[in-house]
Amino acid sequence: DAGITQSPRHKVTETGTPVTLRCHQTENHRYMYWYRQDPGHGLRLIHYSYGVKDTDKGEVSDGYSVSRSKTEDFLLTLESATSSQTSVYFCAISAGQLLSNQPQHFGDGTRLSIL
Amino acid sequence: GESVGLHLPTLSVQEGDNSIINCAYSNSASDYFIWYKQESGKGPQFIIDIRSNMDKRQGQRVTVLLNKTVKHLSLQIAATQPGDSAVYFCAESRNTGGFKTIFGAGTRLFVKA
Repeated sequence: DAGITQSPRHKVTETGTPVTLRCHQTENHRYMYWYRQDPGHGLRLIHYSYGVKDTDKGEVSDGYSVSRSKTEDFLLTLESATSSQTSVYFCAISAGQLLSNQPQHFGDGTRLSIL
Repeated sequence: GESVGLHLPTLSVQEGDNSIINCAYSNSASDYFIWYKQESGKGPQFIIDIRSNMDKRQGQRVTVLLNKTVKHLSLQIAATQPGDSAVYFCAESRNTGGFKTIFGAGTRLFVKA
């Protein structure tokens, strides 16, 4: 299995509070991604990174920000959490170039509940 | 519009039988397809992939078939085992000048002993 660790694995917090989720990889892969998974939907891309300090928005980026200061770490921040952001969040990594179609490998997710 | 869908949200098979999970995609520009398996409480696990210049690819007990004419993808699991019980996703990926992978909502496979 790809060396991907997500923390925390579970979190319950209140509306309006900031939340940061961490993804740590030991594969030295260049590309990292954050997705959310909700019932009835496929995985939806929030943000992705193609290198240190290089990030871009996905299809559901509103309300989220990311940072990547080291190759191995990709942080997802909810500046002011809302109930609509209750979800399971997955980090993924991939090797190779964006245009060469490499499979993504996923962590085990963070279950986030916002009350 | 864009879609990566699965014909059956739930599939139940007898242990030892073969399973076939189907997927439709709508964009003929998609050039890379992936199947994932997701067990409860875990992240999606890569199973097998196929590029658009191929129509069949085999792995260990799994085969992916790609029919570009009708934009159809299938995953065949031979001799299905209880450990195969999970949700299976298909995904399509294409070079749009950036990067985009679209995931289907998934099919849940139940294996009856």
